Amino acid sequence: TQLLEQSPQFLSIQEGENLTVYCNSSSVFSSLQWYRQEPGEGPVLLVTVVTGGEVKKLKRLTFQFGDARKDSSLHITAAQPGDTGLYLCAQRENTGNQFYFGTGTSLTVIP
Amino acid sequence: DTGVSQDPRHKITKRGQNVTFRCDPISEHNRLYWYRQTLGQGPEFLTYFQNEAQLEKSRLLSDRFSAERPKGSFSTLEIQRTEQGDSAMYLCASSPVGGRDYGYTFGSGTRLTVV
Repeated sequence: TQLLEQSPQFLSIQEGENLTVYCNSSSVFSSLQWYRQEPGEGPVLLVTVVTGGEVKKLKRLTFQFGDARKDSSLHITAAQPGDTGLYLCAQRENTGNQFYFGTGTSLTVIP
Repeated sequence: DTGVSQDPRHKITKRGQNVTFRCDPISEHNRLYWYRQTLGQGPEFLTYFQNEAQLEKSRLLSDRFSAERPKGSFSTLEIQRTEQGDSAMYLCASSPVGGRDYGYTFGSGTRLTVV
């Protein structure tokens, strides 16, 4: 099982601020995904990446992936209360089909 | 298709009882996964199916846990002789076969509380 570390564990910011959360792996990943999870619900997929160095944008969210495919970051611009949730990264090993999840970053955006 | 459905949403049971959860995946998805999530943690992989075949089981899946997907459609997860440590959210997800870009579609989960 690969180890995925996410930081920070908790983050509380004011509406309109920018933030970055990080995901670091103990090994190279085949593909990596970011999910957002709201309380009492299952995670919802935000993005998938397979290429080192790739940058993907989803409205105010920017996902960056390390060249070595061992780390990733998620940057949110002008955070809104609707961004509140648990942000999870998930990694798939080169040999498996299942994803392994990090412990998540719990984000609270205060109006 | 309305996505992945899980039933029940909540289950409270006494220690030692057996419980069974059901998951209905997206109909076109061949792969079905079970995860367990405790408070403050990310989901932990339990097992997955491709069609009706159970292809991998985690070490977390003790002999008290059993999962089936008899016709390659819906799946059930049974926990026998429940323990308080089994209290968690049990998540089901499905995905199509093929391609590294396919992510999971998760259900809303079944929240199990063992008292």
